[in-house]
Amino acid sequence: AQTVTQSQPEMSVQEAETVTLSCTYDTSESDYYLFWYKQPPSRQMILVIRQEAYKQQNATENRFSVNFQKAAKSFSLKISDSQLGDAAMYFCAYRSARGRAGAQKLVFGQGTRLTINP
Amino acid sequence: DSGVTQTPKHLITATGQRVTLRCSPRSGDLSVYWYQQSLDQGLQFLIQYYNGEERAKGNILERFSAQQFPDLHSELNLSSLELGDSALYFCASSVGQNQETQYFGPGTRLLVL
Repeated sequence: AQTVTQSQPEMSVQEAETVTLSCTYDTSESDYYLFWYKQPPSRQMILVIRQEAYKQQNATENRFSVNFQKAAKSFSLKISDSQLGDAAMYFCAYRSARGRAGAQKLVFGQGTRLTINP
Repeated sequence: DSGVTQTPKHLITATGQRVTLRCSPRSGDLSVYWYQQSLDQGLQFLIQYYNGEERAKGNILERFSAQQFPDLHSELNLSSLELGDSALYFCASSVGQNQETQYFGPGTRLLVL
């Protein structure tokens, strides 16, 4: 079974600075997807960014980018120019690319609580 | 706004009771997933439906059941509720079975007293 580990329960960063959240995963599959979801105090789960394992290029969405290291099974999220609205819980998630039943579920890490200091 | 709606937003009930949570997927999405978020277990997959049929089960208790109706909305039924069932229940949807991105609803916060 796949597992996702976020080793940083809490992180903090000064406004306008850059912060990196870590995520590692364990799988025997070669084709899969990885995601970062943001959960602000409203508790809504918001997709931040996604990465296809077959793509070598790291995904980027505005101030958010990932460092995907497939061999190391590492998937970190970098937030540049941190803003107060970035304060939230961030969850790393894994999804198999296999078509078999049950493979579509998301497997989540335990989350990292990010605080932005003004 | 993800386009996924869930009702009710909050639910307070007593142990032993039964509740129904409702989810309407994004327009055009055929797959619905239910997840439970609790303090001790984190975010866990419960069950998936695709176009009315159950596709996968995760860590779903026998006291829980779900279904997806012809109009594609889904309901999660929780019965014989226990204190430990208190959690945030999310519904997510995706276009098909193999579409990689799932979009989440706002969740239903269940408190069992």
